[in-house]
Amino acid sequence: NAGVTQTPKFRVLKTGQSMTLLCAQDMNHEYMYWYRQDPGMGLRLIHYSVGEGTTAKGEVPDGYNVSRLKKQNFLLGLESAAPSQTSVYFCASSLTGVDTQYFGPGTRLTVL
Amino acid sequence: AQSVAQPEDQVNVAEGNPLTVKCTYSVSGNPYLFWYVQYPNRGLQFLLKYITGDNLVKGSYGFEAEFNKSQTSFHLKKPSALVSDSALYFCAVRPLHSGNTPLVFGKGTRLSVIA
Repeated sequence: NAGVTQTPKFRVLKTGQSMTLLCAQDMNHEYMYWYRQDPGMGLRLIHYSVGEGTTAKGEVPDGYNVSRLKKQNFLLGLESAAPSQTSVYFCASSLTGVDTQYFGPGTRLTVL
Repeated sequence: AQSVAQPEDQVNVAEGNPLTVKCTYSVSGNPYLFWYVQYPNRGLQFLLKYITGDNLVKGSYGFEAEFNKSQTSFHLKKPSALVSDSALYFCAVRPLHSGNTPLVFGKGTRLSVIA
Protein backbone atom coordinates (compact mmCIF):
# COMPACT_ATOMS: atom_id res chain seq x y z
CA ASN A 1 0.00 0.00 0.00
CA ALA A 2 1.95 3.01 -1.31
CA GLY A 3 -0.62 5.65 -0.29
CA VAL A 4 -0.24 8.79 -2.40
CA THR A 5 2.65 9.00 -4.86
CA GLN A 6 3.76 11.89 -7.04
CA THR A 7 5.83 11.92 -10.23
CA PRO A 8 8.31 13.52 -10.75
CA LYS A 9 9.97 14.56 -7.49
CA PHE A 10 11.90 17.43 -9.05
CA ARG A 11 11.67 19.31 -12.32
CA VAL A 12 13.24 22.38 -13.89
CA LEU A 13 11.40 24.07 -16.75
CA LYS A 14 12.08 27.05 -18.94
CA THR A 15 9.43 29.74 -19.27
CA GLY A 16 6.83 28.70 -21.79
CA GLN A 17 7.42 24.97 -21.53
CA SER A 18 4.65 22.60 -20.60
CA MET A 19 4.56 19.64 -18.26
CA THR A 20 2.24 17.29 -16.43
CA LEU A 21 2.49 16.23 -12.81
CA LEU A 22 1.03 12.85 -11.96
CA CYS A 23 -0.60 11.92 -8.69
CA ALA A 24 -1.64 8.35 -7.93
CA GLN A 25 -3.41 6.87 -4.92
CA ASP A 26 -4.14 3.25 -4.10
CA MET A 27 -6.64 3.81 -1.27
CA ASN A 28 -9.75 3.93 -3.47
CA HIS A 29 -10.37 7.52 -2.40
CA GLU A 30 -13.05 9.54 -4.15
CA TYR A 31 -11.57 13.00 -3.51
CA MET A 32 -8.24 14.22 -4.80
CA TYR A 33 -6.56 17.63 -4.50
CA TRP A 34 -3.66 19.62 -5.87
CA TYR A 35 -2.02 22.25 -3.66
CA ARG A 36 0.95 24.53 -4.01
CA GLN A 37 3.13 25.54 -1.10
CA ASP A 38 5.06 28.79 -1.13
CA PRO A 39 7.05 30.40 1.71
CA GLY A 40 4.83 32.56 3.89
CA MET A 41 1.73 31.58 1.91
CA GLY A 42 0.96 28.23 3.43
CA LEU A 43 -0.90 25.67 1.37
CA ARG A 44 -3.21 26.91 -1.37
CA LEU A 45 -5.67 24.74 -3.27
CA ILE A 46 -5.28 24.77 -7.05
CA HIS A 47 -7.91 22.28 -8.24
CA TYR A 48 -9.71 19.34 -6.76
CA SER A 49 -11.89 16.42 -7.81
CA VAL A 50 -14.82 14.82 -6.00
CA GLY A 51 -14.80 11.71 -8.15
CA GLU A 52 -13.70 10.14 -11.42
CA GLY A 53 -14.43 12.43 -14.34
CA THR A 54 -15.02 15.53 -12.19
CA THR A 55 -12.84 18.55 -11.49
CA ALA A 56 -13.37 21.87 -9.72
CA LYS A 57 -11.38 25.08 -9.25
CA GLY A 58 -9.73 25.91 -6.00
CA GLU A 59 -8.26 29.15 -4.71
CA VAL A 60 -5.49 29.60 -7.33
CA PRO A 61 -6.48 27.76 -10.54
CA ASP A 62 -5.13 30.16 -13.18
CA GLY A 63 -2.41 28.72 -15.38
CA TYR A 64 -3.21 25.12 -14.44
CA ASN A 65 -5.45 22.41 -15.83
CA VAL A 66 -6.37 19.05 -14.35
CA SER A 67 -7.89 15.76 -15.39
CA ARG A 68 -9.29 12.80 -13.48
CA LEU A 69 -9.87 10.14 -16.13
CA LYS A 70 -9.26 7.30 -13.69
CA LYS A 71 -10.26 7.24 -10.04
CA GLN A 72 -6.75 6.55 -8.85
CA ASN A 73 -5.00 9.27 -10.87
CA PHE A 74 -5.17 13.06 -10.80
CA LEU A 75 -3.06 14.96 -13.33
CA LEU A 76 -1.97 18.58 -13.02
CA GLY A 77 -0.90 20.31 -16.21
CA LEU A 78 0.99 23.51 -16.86
CA GLU A 79 0.46 24.55 -20.47
CA SER A 80 2.93 27.44 -20.54
CA ALA A 81 5.05 27.59 -17.41
CA ALA A 82 5.85 30.93 -15.79
CA PRO A 83 8.42 31.78 -13.07
CA SER A 84 5.48 32.53 -10.72
CA GLN A 85 4.68 28.82 -10.85
CA THR A 86 7.96 27.94 -9.15
CA SER A 87 6.71 26.13 -6.06
CA VAL A 88 6.36 22.84 -4.27
CA TYR A 89 3.27 20.98 -5.42
CA PHE A 90 1.43 18.54 -3.19
CA CYS A 91 -1.26 16.08 -4.09
CA ALA A 92 -3.67 14.72 -1.51
CA SER A 93 -6.61 12.34 -1.42
CA SER A 94 -9.47 11.57 0.96
CA LEU A 95 -12.25 9.03 1.07
CA THR A 96 -14.93 11.71 1.27
CA GLY A 97 -14.96 15.48 1.60
CA VAL A 98 -15.03 15.28 5.39
CA ASP A 99 -12.35 12.65 5.86
CA THR A 100 -8.67 13.07 6.61
CA GLN A 101 -6.57 14.03 3.62
CA TYR A 102 -3.46 11.98 2.90
CA PHE A 103 -0.62 13.81 1.21
CA GLY A 104 2.02 12.79 -1.29
CA PRO A 105 5.73 13.64 -0.85
CA GLY A 106 5.61 16.67 -3.15
CA THR A 107 7.12 17.83 -6.45
CA ARG A 108 9.59 20.68 -6.42
CA LEU A 109 9.19 22.68 -9.63
CA THR A 110 11.48 25.47 -10.73
CA VAL A 111 10.60 27.61 -13.72
CA LEU A 112 13.51 29.65 -15.09
CA ALA B 1 -16.05 31.98 3.30
CA GLN B 2 -13.99 30.15 5.88
CA SER B 3 -10.55 31.26 6.99
CA VAL B 4 -7.81 30.23 9.38
CA ALA B 5 -5.29 32.40 11.19
CA GLN B 6 -2.08 31.15 12.72
CA PRO B 7 -0.81 34.33 14.37
CA GLU B 8 2.74 33.13 15.00
CA ASP B 9 5.12 32.41 12.14
CA GLN B 10 7.63 30.89 14.56
CA VAL B 11 7.40 29.36 18.03
CA ASN B 12 10.51 28.52 20.02
CA VAL B 13 10.37 26.31 23.09
CA ALA B 14 12.92 24.51 25.23
CA GLU B 15 12.89 20.73 25.25
CA GLY B 16 10.76 19.41 28.10
CA ASN B 17 8.64 22.56 28.32
CA PRO B 18 4.99 22.65 27.30
CA LEU B 19 4.22 23.99 23.84
CA THR B 20 1.24 25.74 22.30
CA VAL B 21 0.69 26.53 18.63
CA LYS B 22 -2.21 28.89 18.13
CA CYS B 23 -5.03 28.71 15.60
CA THR B 24 -8.20 30.75 15.23
CA TYR B 25 -10.82 30.22 12.58
CA SER B 26 -13.84 31.75 10.91
CA VAL B 27 -16.54 29.56 9.40
CA SER B 28 -20.28 29.55 8.83
CA GLY B 29 -21.93 27.10 11.17
CA ASN B 30 -20.06 24.41 13.04
CA PRO B 31 -16.42 23.83 12.13
CA TYR B 32 -14.52 20.74 11.16
CA LEU B 33 -10.92 21.36 12.30
CA PHE B 34 -7.61 19.67 11.59
CA TRP B 35 -3.96 19.89 12.55
CA TYR B 36 -1.27 18.63 10.20
CA VAL B 37 2.51 18.50 10.62
CA GLN B 38 5.18 18.78 7.92
CA TYR B 39 8.72 17.59 8.51
CA PRO B 40 11.48 18.89 6.21
CA ASN B 41 11.16 17.78 2.59
CA ARG B 42 8.07 15.72 3.35
CA GLY B 43 4.35 15.94 2.69
CA LEU B 44 1.86 16.88 5.38
CA GLN B 45 0.91 14.28 7.97
CA PHE B 46 -2.37 14.21 9.87
CA LEU B 47 -2.12 14.87 13.61
CA LEU B 48 -5.68 15.20 14.87
CA LYS B 49 -9.15 16.48 14.07
CA TYR B 50 -12.23 17.85 15.78
CA ILE B 51 -15.74 17.16 14.53
CA THR B 52 -18.07 17.21 17.53
CA GLY B 53 -18.03 16.03 21.13
CA ASP B 54 -15.28 16.48 23.70
CA ASN B 55 -13.54 19.82 23.30
CA LEU B 56 -10.15 18.24 24.05
CA VAL B 57 -8.94 16.11 21.17
CA LYS B 58 -5.98 13.77 21.49
CA GLY B 59 -3.84 12.94 18.49
CA SER B 60 -0.60 11.42 17.32
CA TYR B 61 2.82 11.81 19.00
CA GLY B 62 1.33 13.06 22.29
CA PHE B 63 -0.28 16.15 20.79
CA GLU B 64 -3.70 17.41 21.75
CA ALA B 65 -5.86 20.35 20.78
CA GLU B 66 -8.55 22.26 22.59
CA PHE B 67 -11.62 23.47 20.73
CA ASN B 68 -13.05 26.71 22.12
CA LYS B 69 -16.22 27.75 20.36
CA SER B 70 -16.61 31.12 22.07
CA GLN B 71 -13.06 32.15 21.14
CA THR B 72 -13.20 30.36 17.75
CA SER B 73 -9.86 28.77 18.55
CA PHE B 74 -8.28 25.36 18.15
CA HIS B 75 -4.84 25.59 19.75
CA LEU B 76 -2.41 22.68 19.48
CA LYS B 77 -0.65 21.65 22.69
CA LYS B 78 1.83 19.18 24.06
CA PRO B 79 2.80 18.89 27.74
CA SER B 80 6.50 18.22 27.12
CA ALA B 81 8.22 19.19 23.86
CA LEU B 82 10.81 17.02 22.13
CA VAL B 83 13.51 18.15 19.71
CA SER B 84 11.92 15.80 17.18
CA ASP B 85 8.71 17.89 17.33
CA SER B 86 10.52 20.63 15.40
CA ALA B 87 8.50 21.00 12.19
CA LEU B 88 5.95 23.15 10.36
CA TYR B 89 2.41 22.90 11.73
CA PHE B 90 -0.76 23.69 9.80
CA CYS B 91 -4.27 24.27 11.06
CA ALA B 92 -7.17 23.74 8.63
CA VAL B 93 -10.93 24.27 8.72
CA ARG B 94 -14.06 23.66 6.72
CA PRO B 95 -17.75 23.96 7.58
CA LEU B 96 -19.04 20.73 9.06
CA HIS B 97 -22.10 20.48 6.83
CA SER B 98 -21.12 22.03 3.53
CA GLY B 99 -21.13 19.41 0.82
CA ASN B 100 -17.92 19.48 -1.16
CA THR B 101 -16.39 22.66 0.31
CA PRO B 102 -12.67 21.92 0.59
CA LEU B 103 -10.42 22.56 3.56
CA VAL B 104 -8.75 25.93 4.00
CA PHE B 105 -5.26 25.84 5.50
CA GLY B 106 -3.50 28.42 7.61
CA LYS B 107 -0.10 29.77 6.61
CA GLY B 108 1.69 27.47 9.03
CA THR B 109 3.72 27.91 12.22
CA ARG B 110 7.29 26.76 12.44
CA LEU B 111 8.01 25.11 15.78
CA SER B 112 11.60 24.95 16.94
CA VAL B 113 12.36 22.88 20.04
CA ILE B 114 15.75 23.68 21.49
CA ALA B 115 17.72 21.10 23.45
